[in-house]
Amino acid sequence: GESVGLHLPTLSVQEGDNSIINCAYSNSASDYFIWYKQESGKGPQFIIDIRSNMDKRQGQRVTVLLNKTVKHLSLQIAATQPGDSAVYFCAENGSGGSNYKLTFGKGTLLTVNP
Amino acid sequence: SAVISQKPSRDICQRGTSLTIQCQVDSQVTMMFWYRQQPGQSLTLIATANQGSEATYESGFVIDKFPISRPNLTFSTLTVSNMSPEDSSIYLCSVERLARGEQFFGPGTRLTVL
Repeated sequence: GESVGLHLPTLSVQEGDNSIINCAYSNSASDYFIWYKQESGKGPQFIIDIRSNMDKRQGQRVTVLLNKTVKHLSLQIAATQPGDSAVYFCAENGSGGSNYKLTFGKGTLLTVNP
Repeated sequence: SAVISQKPSRDICQRGTSLTIQCQVDSQVTMMFWYRQQPGQSLTLIATANQGSEATYESGFVIDKFPISRPNLTFSTLTVSNMSPEDSSIYLCSVERLARGEQFFGPGTRLTVL
């Protein structure tokens, strides 16, 4: 299972700057990855996904990069806004041979300063 | 995405009692999942609930403690039995709807056990 701690990694940025949130995964068999945003008091919200046959995918103001060689995933948020303040989780699918089971990373707390 | 609701949204319970959490989806889905999110931590999968079959539990979670029902394709319940303060968490249901691996989450149930 995942190893998690009581203190989330944090990232603090100024409004308008670009944000980069990183995630390392351990299972080279994982073939599908999702980024979720969780605002305080809410459930995780799907942001963007990427499959292992791609190394980059873009959405609206967000880009996900996948480096399978080093098992690293990143989420880039362009022109970060105060509404982007939340905890961001990466999740991987395909671990342990289960097609639909997601394993979540620890999460990163993003704080956007106006 | 699917519209997912959970009841109750929060509760405060006494040690030794049980609480049943409901998850309702606005459309039929094959796979539903139950997660636990302890304070300040990431999400951990409790079990996968498929209609017409027994739930599949993850390591560390047992049916006697977390019985699950899945009577139809739009509804599931999770019961937290014989609660202790260590069960204080957010409990989230999610659905996998598009057969692509994406999971969409409900708003969560915030449980405090005294």
